[in-house]
Amino acid sequence: EVQLVESGGNLVQPGGSLRLSCAASGFTFSSYWMTWVRQAPGKGLQWVANIKQDGSEIHYLDSVKGRFTISRDNAKNSLYLQMNSLRDEDTAVYYCAKEGRMSDWGQGTLVTVSS
Amino acid sequence: QSVVTQPPSASGTPGQRVTISCSGSRSNIETNPVSWYQQLPGTAPKLLIYSNNQWPSGVPDRFAGSKSGTSASLAISGLQSEDEADYYCATWDDSLNGYVFGTGTKVTVL
Repeated sequence: EVQLVESGGNLVQPGGSLRLSCAASGFTFSSYWMTWVRQAPGKGLQWVANIKQDGSEIHYLDSVKGRFTISRDNAKNSLYLQMNSLRDEDTAVYYCAKEGRMSDWGQGTLVTVSS
Repeated sequence: QSVVTQPPSASGTPGQRVTISCSGSRSNIETNPVSWYQQLPGTAPKLLIYSNNQWPSGVPDRFAGSKSGTSASLAISGLQSEDEADYYCATWDDSLNGYVFGTGTKVTVL
């Protein structure tokens, strides 16, 4: 059974940093693209970034380019999202998802950016 | 605001057929496969349809996807109370070089 467990969400001030993690199990992590998606309170889904199996190809949402960094550690079956220069509008539940087509999702972790 | 639009709401009575549209452009829906996701209240999204009309394991064939040109559709047949949820389409956008989700449709079972 595929399991994705996000962690690292917290309350942070504008301009601050946070690192999200996603622990994967139940599948061969190193064989799949991985994706981060977010959902602001009461709003729709927004794709954030994805990363190829070996990390050689990465794509970002324009509004997070230069501030967020997606990475992975295939030896640890883990996906990460380093978020710097956080803004109020980054407040959301952040989900990690398996594959580019997002076939399986974690339960999400809440990031709140507020002073 | 998303480049892929959906009607904000749709509704039907139990047993009816409901269709949700997803409108995009040449750079996204016309040239790339479309997926559909169901998000029940308070839960993570779930993949319903991929590659325009394919079902992941465990998804009933009451949910059917289709695509024509710059639009896609999700049809829910034999509507059930447990189908009450938000539904999102998604696809890759060649101009944005990233995925785009539709604006989402809330389905209500009357």
